[in-house]
Amino acid sequence: NAGVTQTPKFQVLKTGQSMTLQCAQDMNHEYMSWYRQDPGMGLRLIHYSVGAGITDQGEVPNGYNVSRSTTEDFPLRLLSAAPSQTSVYFCASRPLGSFYEQYFGPGTRLTVT
Amino acid sequence: KQEVTQIPAALSVPEGENLVLNCSFTDSAIYNLQWFRQDPGKGLTSLLLIQSSQREQTSGRLNASLDKSSGRSTLYIAASQPGDSATYLCAVALQGAQKLVFGQGTRLTINP
Repeated sequence: NAGVTQTPKFQVLKTGQSMTLQCAQDMNHEYMSWYRQDPGMGLRLIHYSVGAGITDQGEVPNGYNVSRSTTEDFPLRLLSAAPSQTSVYFCASRPLGSFYEQYFGPGTRLTVT
Repeated sequence: KQEVTQIPAALSVPEGENLVLNCSFTDSAIYNLQWFRQDPGKGLTSLLLIQSSQREQTSGRLNASLDKSSGRSTLYIAASQPGDSATYLCAVALQGAQKLVFGQGTRLTINP
């Protein structure tokens, strides 16, 4: 098992550009989520999904879109990047009924200039 | 709104000491509480999970306790080692929701 993979590892964007952060898992987990981590603020939930075709907003969803067309993939889209979106982004997955088997990806460090 | 706080933000201790990390939360209606470890530039690894009906969980040198009524959890690390150096985060799962709320983390340094 590769676990949870994220690409790219690093990205620099200019204000107004768009991009997609990729997240994939090979554990057949129903639940997937995206978090952002900023210095001194812990992780904050952006969006999550409980299965293919089902997504919902987390604590800080503004400026981000998600879709879940397959169980394996959960991409995060930035439509028009802003400097406030400079952060480290983590994707996570787990079985729907269990918090015990929760896995996090290695993160994507995004800088918006 | 659930808020999770971890104090201190950073802690530095000599090798071999026993230490306690603190986590507090504002709403006692939680489903569970987890402690995670994060190494620099890496993702999170789950260390311990305590269900809301439990008082503590142990794994090796780690012991986590939960007092729901007071909104507190502690992570006890016995006989600390340099390899324990990392950031430790606690997170609560909200009842009836599929969401985790994280604290800010405690950056722990164990000095040889």
